[in-house]
Amino acid sequence: DADVTQTPRNRITKTGKRIMLECSQTKGHDRMYWYRQDPGLGLRLIYYSFDVKDINKGEISDGYSVSRQAQAKFSLSLESAIPNQTALYFCATSDSSWGLHTGELFFGEGSRLTVL
Amino acid sequence: GIQVEQSPPDLILQEGANSTLRCNFSDSVNNLQWFHQNPWGQLINLFYIPSGTKQNGRLSATTVATERYSLLYISSSQTTDSGVYFCAVSQAGTALIFGKGTTLSVSS
Repeated sequence: DADVTQTPRNRITKTGKRIMLECSQTKGHDRMYWYRQDPGLGLRLIYYSFDVKDINKGEISDGYSVSRQAQAKFSLSLESAIPNQTALYFCATSDSSWGLHTGELFFGEGSRLTVL
Repeated sequence: GIQVEQSPPDLILQEGANSTLRCNFSDSVNNLQWFHQNPWGQLINLFYIPSGTKQNGRLSATTVATERYSLLYISSSQTTDSGVYFCAVSQAGTALIFGKGTTLSVSS
C-alpha cells in the first residue's frame, strides 16, 4: 500500500458542486501539503499544515478550504467548483524532525479533477 | 515570494546522450529538492540538495547556494528518464515552491 493515499483518484463534477479530496498517510509525518498541477505551470501550493492545529494558505488558496482532521489526514474542499479548478491535485507529506526546514517531500499519486 | 526558474523548458535527446538541467532561484534557501514526474504522473524525490554535490547512479546534482542555482546532470540517458523534472525550494518555516519544470523526452 502507498504511504500517502489520495481519494478519489479521478472525479468528474459539475460547476457549483462541492467536492472533497482526501489524503491520508502512514508515514507518521506531521507536515502535510496540497498542491495543484496545471500543464506548463508546475506545481502550485494551495494550503499546508505543519501540525494538526496549524493551517497556512499557499500561493493559490482562493476557492479552496482544508481540514486537518488528524495527524494522518488532510482534506481539501472546493466549496463551489468552477471549470478553472480542473487540474491534477497532489497531497504531500514531510517530517517535522527537520525543524524549520521543510524536509524531504513525499507525494501521493494525485487526484485528477474535472469540473464541467 | 521566492521565484524559481528552470531551463530549458523542453529537451529532446537520443538515448545515451548526456544533459544538464538548471534551476535558478531568487533568494537564499535552506531546502532544495529535485523531483522526477514520470509519464504516468507519479512524482519521485530525486535529491535533497540545499548545497554541495550528490550522485545517485547516472544522476547527479550540484547546488551553489551562494550563487542561487542548482544543476541536475543526467548521463547516458535512457527512455525511462523521460518525464518532467522539477526543482523546488523553500526558506525556513515555509513550504516548497516549485519551478515550472523541464520536460525531457528520450528516444531510442
